[in-house]
Amino acid sequence: AQSVAQPEDQVNVAEGNPLTVKCTYSVSGNPYLFWYVQYPNRGLQFLLKYITGDNLVKGSYGFEAEFNKSQTSFHLKKPSALVSDSALYFCAVRETGGFKTIFGAGTRLFVKA
Amino acid sequence: NAGVTQTPKFRVLKTGQSMTLLCAQDMNHEYMYWYRQDPGMGLRLIHYSVGEGTTAKGEVPDGYNVSRLKKQNFLLGLESAAPSQTSVYFCASSLASGTYEQYFGPGTRLTVT
Repeated sequence: AQSVAQPEDQVNVAEGNPLTVKCTYSVSGNPYLFWYVQYPNRGLQFLLKYITGDNLVKGSYGFEAEFNKSQTSFHLKKPSALVSDSALYFCAVRETGGFKTIFGAGTRLFVKA
Repeated sequence: NAGVTQTPKFRVLKTGQSMTLLCAQDMNHEYMYWYRQDPGMGLRLIHYSVGEGTTAKGEVPDGYNVSRLKKQNFLLGLESAAPSQTSVYFCASSLASGTYEQYFGPGTRLTVT
């Protein structure tokens, strides 16, 4: 069965520093992997995805993610954090050959000025 | 282009009451989903639909029913509300092909007393 783990409930970084939000997954077959962001009292917004090809994918707002097949990880990164990046981030994997997407529990990112 | 809209935004129910949540999308997406979000548990899939007139159970379907009579609308019903159904409910939609990223509505905050 597919699963997604986000090992950190919260990540704290200072503005201007690089940030990493971790995600590991378990699927049978090739994964479709996603990152979404949720701002307070809003729905989730799509940030980026990995389907195939280059292991480093770039998305919205300067975020990028690195797919590592051997470590079954898909960590979200940004070279220089902004206070406005503070939000809840969800990693997700699409069920292989099915219709469902499995979401992680979420990681709260707090960027301090 | 409104994207995905949900009504109502907030609702308080007494135990045993019924209600229907409405989701509408104007992107001509084939797939639609209903999730609930609870603290520390990420998003859990309640029901989903892969096309007009078709629905299927997700992770946590008990106590909920759905209907998709029109391609653009996906209704979620609670026949007899229980306090355990206090949650934030999100609707989402996606294409049936391509990369399957989902587009989310703003959510409905439901409290059952």
